[in-house]
Amino acid sequence: DQQVKQNSPSLSVQEGRISILNCDYTNSMFDYFLWYKKYPAEGPTFLISISSIKDKNEDGRFTVFLNKSAKHLSLHIVPSQPGDSAVYFCAAYRVPSGTYKYIFGTGTRLKVLA
Amino acid sequence: SAVISQKPSRDICQRGTSLTIQCQVDSQVTMMFWYRQQPGQSLTLIATANQGSEATYESGFVIDKFPISRPNLTFSTLTVSNMSPEDSSIYLCSVISGASYNEQFFGPGTRLTVL
Repeated sequence: DQQVKQNSPSLSVQEGRISILNCDYTNSMFDYFLWYKKYPAEGPTFLISISSIKDKNEDGRFTVFLNKSAKHLSLHIVPSQPGDSAVYFCAAYRVPSGTYKYIFGTGTRLKVLA
Repeated sequence: SAVISQKPSRDICQRGTSLTIQCQVDSQVTMMFWYRQQPGQSLTLIATANQGSEATYESGFVIDKFPISRPNLTFSTLTVSNMSPEDSSIYLCSVISGASYNEQFFGPGTRLTVL
């Protein structure tokens, strides 16, 4: 049972435009969500996170939106740059569990075209 | 954030052998974890490496196959034992440092190919 899903395996966007990456989850107990970026031959790099008490968190060009009723979160990158080309993973976990067990999605490969 | 290194960065091994992967952090960290990313799959938590005691394994992972050590707050090893081609994956360690308990930071990974 895939509790965190990224239904788009790939996405291509023109440089300067907005990239929107989507993530859906099924477990309503998740209360903390994260986005990671991964380049080839490197480990995932933390990008941005959001707690379930918020519906938006912004950090520079990156904004994460959380829709709890729809169990959906999205990552917006504006403006997109060629260096943003990477695989993006969303992750979720339940803070009160104390286990720090992240559940990851399968990733979306973003390609930003110059 | 903590600087994390892993050795080896990649290896090609024969079926039936074992490989030990090292994870070194440049500062003391609260928690350390080991993940696996099989080809085309998401990252899956193998276990939490506990300092001074046995690791806590996730469902589907056992100590005999993936023994883990964590002798101090900056170092851990993961051994992949009696390897088969199905063990071909990227193995990653991650840490939680004192700055934030909600964000994990990952090492560069070890790419393992089993022939």
